[in-house]
Amino acid sequence: GQQLNQSPQSMFIQEGEDVSMNCTSSSIFNTWLWYKQEPGEGPVLLIALYKAGELTSNGRLTAQFGITRKDSFLNISASIPSDVGIYFCAGLNTGNQFYFGTGTSLTVIP
Amino acid sequence: EAQVTQNPRYLITVTGKKLTVTCSQNMNHEYMSWYRQDPGLGLRQIYYSMNVEVTDKGDVPEGYKVSRKEKRNFPLILESPSPNQTSLYFCASSSRDRGAHEQYFGPGTRLTVT
Repeated sequence: GQQLNQSPQSMFIQEGEDVSMNCTSSSIFNTWLWYKQEPGEGPVLLIALYKAGELTSNGRLTAQFGITRKDSFLNISASIPSDVGIYFCAGLNTGNQFYFGTGTSLTVIP
Repeated sequence: EAQVTQNPRYLITVTGKKLTVTCSQNMNHEYMSWYRQDPGLGLRQIYYSMNVEVTDKGDVPEGYKVSRKEKRNFPLILESPSPNQTSLYFCASSSRDRGAHEQYFGPGTRLTVT
């Protein structure tokens, strides 16, 4: 299957710092999505990106759909303790199949 | 409340004993999907369904079956479970009006096969 390479695997940051994570693929996707998962729960959609080059914000979160359609990044500004969790990128191909990255575990130190 | 429900939440079973994990959504969504989540591998799509009576294989369909007889339900069937199917399973649904992109996930089913 298609592989999504997500980095970094984990991050430990101080409260108030900005966070950046990215996702790359060997294949083109039509849609890129970013999810957050907290312990014991299913992933929750944060941002969806539909066009190459698109830059979309959701509060303190900003994500971009790479111009090559093979990558995407997520930024979180001014992190707070409730940002803790695992962040996943996901790509949707023309066959309506979803592929997920391996996740970035974020720890925010108060 | 709009939600995706899965049952059971936890299941321990033995190799070869058929089991079904149910999934139901109350949002009238056309698209439904099953994933398994394993450490270091993220979520991998098992099967998906674009609408009633339409199902397609995802990335890791071997050893699983699904059916979509009603719009709201999408059960996952393991005819002969094996230990390598021990995993955390998620069901998800989304509306085709939004291009099937914005999936709502269920709370997960943790399956252990001994």
